[in-house]
Amino acid sequence: EADIYQTPRYLVIGTGKKITLECSQTMGHDKMYWYQQDPGMELHLIHYSYGVNSTEKGDLSSESTVSRIRTEHFPLTLESARPSHTSQYLCASRSGAENIQYFGAGTRLSVL
Amino acid sequence: QKEVEQNSGPLSVPEGAIASLNCTYSDRGSQSFFWYRQYSGKSPELIMFIYSNGDKEDGRFTAQLNKASQYVSLLIRDSQPSDSATYLCAVKAGNQFYFGTGTSLTVIP
Repeated sequence: EADIYQTPRYLVIGTGKKITLECSQTMGHDKMYWYQQDPGMELHLIHYSYGVNSTEKGDLSSESTVSRIRTEHFPLTLESARPSHTSQYLCASRSGAENIQYFGAGTRLSVL
Repeated sequence: QKEVEQNSGPLSVPEGAIASLNCTYSDRGSQSFFWYRQYSGKSPELIMFIYSNGDKEDGRFTAQLNKASQYVSLLIRDSQPSDSATYLCAVKAGNQFYFGTGTSLTVIP
């Protein structure tokens, strides 16, 4: 069982609010990812990190930012939430030695 | 053209039958291939991974890879109602992972 945690699980906020979605893993994985998934659609990569102080934008940066100050922690911040940000956000991690990604339980975000 | 293509289904099979799920990918340089199971409202859970051409079996699951045809499949033998979920095909090309939209499987008791 993967030890990767996301909070909050569910969030309903108003347009224009700043929010941070938390993701932590206790496996010591150096690589971490944020994906966005809408119902019936594929996962879209938003951001990824290959280690501390390393972050890259994916295909769908979604007007969000990430930081990687500690190996185990990879938070995602939306500076000004919009209804188009309503989606499920999935965090994943993997070690550099293997290709298997482990996913957190996800955060379901609704922006009104 | 999408990197990974799957038939969205829904695919319905009776309990005890074999479910066959298919996936094609566009990047010939793809190195690793994965099948994830995702229950409604939940996160993806790894079922199988395969790196080499041929078959790989794990319990009731068999992954098949044909790199020449850029095709990967998942067979589920003795399907159970608990197998009802969406199955995502994922491909690693370079340092990136690409996911299909998933195939919805329903196993009818």
